[in-house]
Amino acid sequence: EIVLTQSPGTLSLSPGERATLSCRASQSFSSNYLAWYQQKPGQAPRLLIYDASSRATGIPDRFSGSGSGTDFTLTISRLEPEDFAVYYCQQYGFSPLTFGGGTKVEIK
Amino acid sequence: QVQLQESGPGLVKPSETLSLTCTVSGGSISGPYLSWVRQPPGKGLEWIGFISYSGRTNYNPSLKSRVSMSVDTSKNQVSLNLISVTAADTAVYFCARHHSTGSYLIYHWGQGTLVTVSS
Repeated sequence: EIVLTQSPGTLSLSPGERATLSCRASQSFSSNYLAWYQQKPGQAPRLLIYDASSRATGIPDRFSGSGSGTDFTLTISRLEPEDFAVYYCQQYGFSPLTFGGGTKVEIK
Repeated sequence: QVQLQESGPGLVKPSETLSLTCTVSGGSISGPYLSWVRQPPGKGLEWIGFISYSGRTNYNPSLKSRVSMSVDTSKNQVSLNLISVTAADTAVYFCARHHSTGSYLIYHWGQGTLVTVSS
C-alpha cells in the first residue's frame, strides 16, 4: 500500500499569509492521482484539488496544487478566515486508497 | 446535486455487527462507485472499501476479513456490514460518491454518522 506522509502536522499562520503543505508518498505513482481535501470540525471532507493540480468545481483560485512522483504540495496563496481547517492528501491511483495523516492550519 | 445520507444504530456492542445504510437521492445510484470511509474521533481518515451499482466490491485489506457491502438499486441504497467490532471501530462513518464511472476519485461526501462501540 502507498503510505502518504504529510508535513508539518500543524501550521500556525495569520490571515493573509501563504500556506504551503507537503504530502510525500512512499512510492512514486506516475498517474498523479493525488487529491487534497479540506475538513472543518463536525463536517465531511470537501474536495479541493484532484489529479495533483486541478481545482474542483467552486474552489477559489487561491488554492493550488503541484507536484509529481512522490512529492506533492498544496498552496494557499493568501489565507482567508474560512481556510483554517485540517487538510488531507489522498492517493487514488492504487488500491487500497490511502490518506495522509493531515495538516492542521491554525490561526497564529 | 446528488445527496448522500448515512443511517444506522449509533451504538453497537463489542463483538456484534455494525450495519449502516447510505441512501442516494437527487440522482441514480448507477455509475460511480460508492465508498465507505471512517474517521475515529480526533484522528485521520481510513478508506474501508467501495461498491459499484452492479455489486462489484473492493475492500481495504486491513478490514477485508470483517467487511461486506451490498447494493439495492431499487431503493438507491448501499449497505455496510462490519462484523466482530471492538472499541477501535468507534468512528464517524462516511458514505462517499466517486467522480465518474470507473474513477477512484472520491468526489462527494455524506455528512457522516457516528458509531460508538461500547457495552
